[in-house]
Amino acid sequence: GQQLNQSPQSMFIQEGEDVSMNCTSSSIFNTWLWYKQDPGEGPVLLIALYKAGELTSNGRLTAQFGITRKDSFLNISASIPSDVGIYFCAGQGIGSSNTGKLIFGQGTTLQVKP
Amino acid sequence: DGGITQSPKYLFRKEGQNVTLSCEQNLNHDAMYWYRQDPGQGLRLIYYSQIVNDFQKGDIAEGYSVSREKKESFPLTVTSAQKNPTAFYLCASRRGDVEMEAFFGQGTRLTVV
Repeated sequence: GQQLNQSPQSMFIQEGEDVSMNCTSSSIFNTWLWYKQDPGEGPVLLIALYKAGELTSNGRLTAQFGITRKDSFLNISASIPSDVGIYFCAGQGIGSSNTGKLIFGQGTTLQVKP
Repeated sequence: DGGITQSPKYLFRKEGQNVTLSCEQNLNHDAMYWYRQDPGQGLRLIYYSQIVNDFQKGDIAEGYSVSREKKESFPLTVTSAQKNPTAFYLCASRRGDVEMEAFFGQGTRLTVV
């Protein structure tokens, strides 16, 4: 079945630093989504990507849909303490067997030192 | 306000008992999902439904059951056959196959003792 590999698993950075995380799939995806989860809460959607090569920004966040359609990355610029949380990539593969099936990566835990 | 409501937030059950987790949405979304999250883990897909009266198994469906009798509701039953049911359960919905953005409820933390 489809698998998403997200890296790094965790990051501990200084406030003000830029952050980059990525996600790769075992098969071609037609959608990439990036979420942030605070402890004990449901994930919140940050960015949605629909086209290969697409580059989308949301404030200090930038995400790209890889040209091969098998990867995506998320960058956070000038990190602040409230960026702390778990970041997940998610996506849906192509083909009728994957219709509607939204799967998630393992998450990247981000800690920011003030 | 439109949104997804999961209840209860915390649930305790004795081992061997079935338990049903509620998920309701008033977003008029066609598709609904159930995920399980263990500490330090990602979200694993249990079941999903793209339309009323139809649902598909996800990657870890064993020991769980669902129903989709109404568009707004997608309850999840954790049965006694689930070997390790203690986890954080998340419900999500999305409009359909064109708009892929899924929105989540606040989650239910189930503890089986």
